[in-house]
Parts: sequence; structure tokens; C-alpha cells
Amino acid sequence: KNEVEQSPQNLTAQEGEFITINCSYSVGISALHWLQQHPGGGIVSLFMLSSGKKKHGRLIATINIQEKHSSLHITASHPRDSAVYICAVTYSGAGSYQLTFGKGTKLSVIP
Amino acid sequence: NAGVMQNPRHLVRRRGQEARLRCSPMKGHSHVYWYRQLPEEGLKFMVYLQKENIIDESGMPKERFSAEFPKEGPSILRIQQVVRGDSAAYFCASSPGQVGQQYFGPGTRLTVT
Repeated sequence: KNEVEQSPQNLTAQEGEFITINCSYSVGISALHWLQQHPGGGIVSLFMLSSGKKKHGRLIATINIQEKHSSLHITASHPRDSAVYICAVTYSGAGSYQLTFGKGTKLSVIP
Repeated sequence: NAGVMQNPRHLVRRRGQEARLRCSPMKGHSHVYWYRQLPEEGLKFMVYLQKENIIDESGMPKERFSAEFPKEGPSILRIQQVVRGDSAAYFCASSPGQVGQQYFGPGTRLTVT
């Protein structure tokens, strides 16, 4: 049940590049979350979505419920985007508050 | 409007000592979650509490670990007789309701020597 897979595990990009991070899950969910963890360790919630697409600044998150897949895109990447990006889901039904996390994608953006 | 607060940010304990980690949720939030991030591993759910109640502790180790969220004051995660394997980052999150976005604290990094 509790499978959240992210790819790639590590990603190095040149400043300005368009970045995509993928997340897939195995069973029905009530919501999917994208989180950002900076080198200092703090975690920031970027998006929570259950359908469609959300945009905030240079960040775009999409989800395809039928394919059980989500993507996080970063446009015009910048070195300050360097962080670990974590996908997490809450499953439908009992325990729907409980976040199940992927292992994260470590992004490094080089000037 | 302060965010989720955790203290201490760093805690060093010797094997066998007790560790107490505190979490103050965002104002207006009565739901608290504790997660653990072991070195080189992903985050894992530990426990979910509402004021004065433990709702789900299915992710907590059966021994030495306990959590509370009293009517007044912060939520506390307590680890008795710590061992080296308890060294990890412990994150607290809060939300206004059971379903919805969770807001994370900065974490407490526990090192057991």
C-alpha cells in the first residue's frame, strides 16, 4: 500500500533550465503534497493538490489521478532552488491524515 | 502569526538519558503530527494527536517512546533511555483540521552519543 516513488533521486541543472521531478503512487489517495527541504533541514509545504494543476511563482505542480502520477516543474531554475523536494500522499479512507513520503529528489542548480 | 515552533533545535544526549522534544503548533491549530527522519532515509509518520488525545500512534516504536498534547502547553515527544539508533531529525507539523495542509516546524536534531 505505502509506495511513493520519486524520480530522479538526484538532479543537477544549470541555472535557467526547466526542471521536472516525478512522483508516482500505488493506490487511491485523497491528496498529494509537494514539500521542499533546504540544506538547513527545515521543511516547507509547497503544494497540496487532489486534481489538476497548481502554480505558485516559478513552481507548477500537476497530478493525473488516473495514472497515479504527479510532476513538479520549476521554470527558470535558480541556485536558490537547490534543495530536496519531497512528494507525500494521504491515502483515502481511515488514516487519511497520515502523510506517506517518497525518499526525495535532491536538486542542485549550478550558476 | 508565528509558524510551528520546535525546541530545542539541536539536542545531544548520552545513551540511557531521556530526550524531550517540544512542539508548539500554529495558532488556531489543534492537530499535531510527529515525523522522524533517520539519516539517509525518508520521513516516517510517528503519531497524531489532538488536544489531550492520542488519535493514532501506529508509527511509534512500542517501547521508550511516548507523546502527549496537553490542554495547555506544547506537544511533547519523549524518548526514554535513548540509544544511538534514535539519532534523527524529529519534525512536528500542525493543521487546523484532520484533513488538509500540514505546516511543519524546523525540526529537532537529536544526536545520541
